[in-house]
Amino acid sequence: DIQMTQSPSSLSASVGDRVTITCRASQTIRNYLNWYQHKPGKAPKLLIYAASRLQSGVPSRFSGSGSGTDFTLTVTSLQPEDFATYYCQQGYSGPRTFGQGTKVEI
Amino acid sequence: QVQLQESGPGLVKPSETLSLTCTVSGGSITSDYWGWIRQPPGKGLQWIGFISYSGSTIYNPSLTGRVTLSVDRSKRQFSLKLISVTAADTAVYYCARDQELLSDYYYAMDVWGRGATVTVSS
Repeated sequence: DIQMTQSPSSLSASVGDRVTITCRASQTIRNYLNWYQHKPGKAPKLLIYAASRLQSGVPSRFSGSGSGTDFTLTVTSLQPEDFATYYCQQGYSGPRTFGQGTKVEI
Repeated sequence: QVQLQESGPGLVKPSETLSLTCTVSGGSITSDYWGWIRQPPGKGLQWIGFISYSGSTIYNPSLTGRVTLSVDRSKRQFSLKLISVTAADTAVYYCARDQELLSDYYYAMDVWGRGATVTVSS
């Protein structure tokens, strides 16, 4: 199976900060990479699909990039509602797999 | 728009079977994949498996042999059964639609249920 590794596991940031989260796949997944935001008690929310495509309704301060094995999620100006845990997920082959998550804290 | 809702017992005894159903409203199960994901307390998201509208399945290898997914298109429901549960199966269980958002098999889980908390305890 394809393993997904995110870094960092957690980070502290302030409103207005630029935040970058990285995700690495154990083998190439081309650009079959999705990003989700998850808040406690809520359903996860799709932010980015196909590595860089913004899901409808998601603010443009979120962006994704990368291909092959290395990917990034960037939030250009962190807003109070962005404090959450973020997960990458590969959809390239076999069972879907998630990264372990990155918790963005104040 | 499509909405999903999980239902089932919130408490299951060890060694017994966990059964959950996801009901689809605002749409039908005639395309895409329909999946289950769980989050144990204090841990990250774990993908359990998915089933296509036609009934083909892929499971997480770590759960193969214990998990079965099924779909009932007439009721617009899909279901999860997990046998021989232990405390490690305690989690919030989510159902989700895994839809092709871009041609060439770019799938993503774009609609999620709100989650069902299942505790395994005697």
